[in-house]
Amino acid sequence: QSVLTQPPSASGTPGQRVTVSCSGSTSNVGSNAVNWYQQLPGTAPKLLIYSNDQRPSGVPYRFSGSTSGTSASLAISGLQSEDEADYYCAAWDDSLNGHYVFGTGTKVTVL
Amino acid sequence: QVQLQGSGPGLAKPSETLSLTCGVSGYSISRGYYWGWIRQPPGKGLEWIGSIYQSGSTFYNPSLKSRVTISVDTSRNYFSLRLRFLTAADTAIYYCARQNQMLYWFDPWGQGTLVTVSS
Repeated sequence: QSVLTQPPSASGTPGQRVTVSCSGSTSNVGSNAVNWYQQLPGTAPKLLIYSNDQRPSGVPYRFSGSTSGTSASLAISGLQSEDEADYYCAAWDDSLNGHYVFGTGTKVTVL
Repeated sequence: QVQLQGSGPGLAKPSETLSLTCGVSGYSISRGYYWGWIRQPPGKGLEWIGSIYQSGSTFYNPSLKSRVTISVDTSRNYFSLRLRFLTAADTAIYYCARQNQMLYWFDPWGQGTLVTVSS
């Protein structure tokens, strides 16, 4: 159902760099700002990155976002154990009179 | 500090209507922002349901539009969700959240309300 495709899983050892991709289309990622959410186990999602590459206050510098065409990426530099969570990209989609769409979600595991 | 607190029944019957409310503290709804609902079936991903502005203007997920109504009460500082004709597929954690008007990000989120649809 989701129009934003993410890999189901990603993993790394502590200190490594991990990236999560988000593939969309010209009606969403290609023309609107991408947001990223982190969902720790058993908790509500939390805004991690907004407007493609902006970090809200309190989000560590090791999290960064970028976009290129109809794709977006989330990078975690210097992976830490507390980063083990589900990550979702999201964007406004201009089709069907406009609606907000989430990615399929990626489970990041710290080995 | 803005906080959102969702509330409503944890169990609903098929074909009936679900009603949830989200109380907002630390910020007046009438000052701005959109206010939205998102849901997450157990073990699955996030799905936007719809959002409302202080004026009462709404926009909904096309896939749910025929069954959803979102309303706002600025005097009591809360907004509500009604979802009609429930089926088991509507079983989910329902989150309420504040939504940025220009870039559409959601922050902060309420703690979530688990709703199970079962007879």
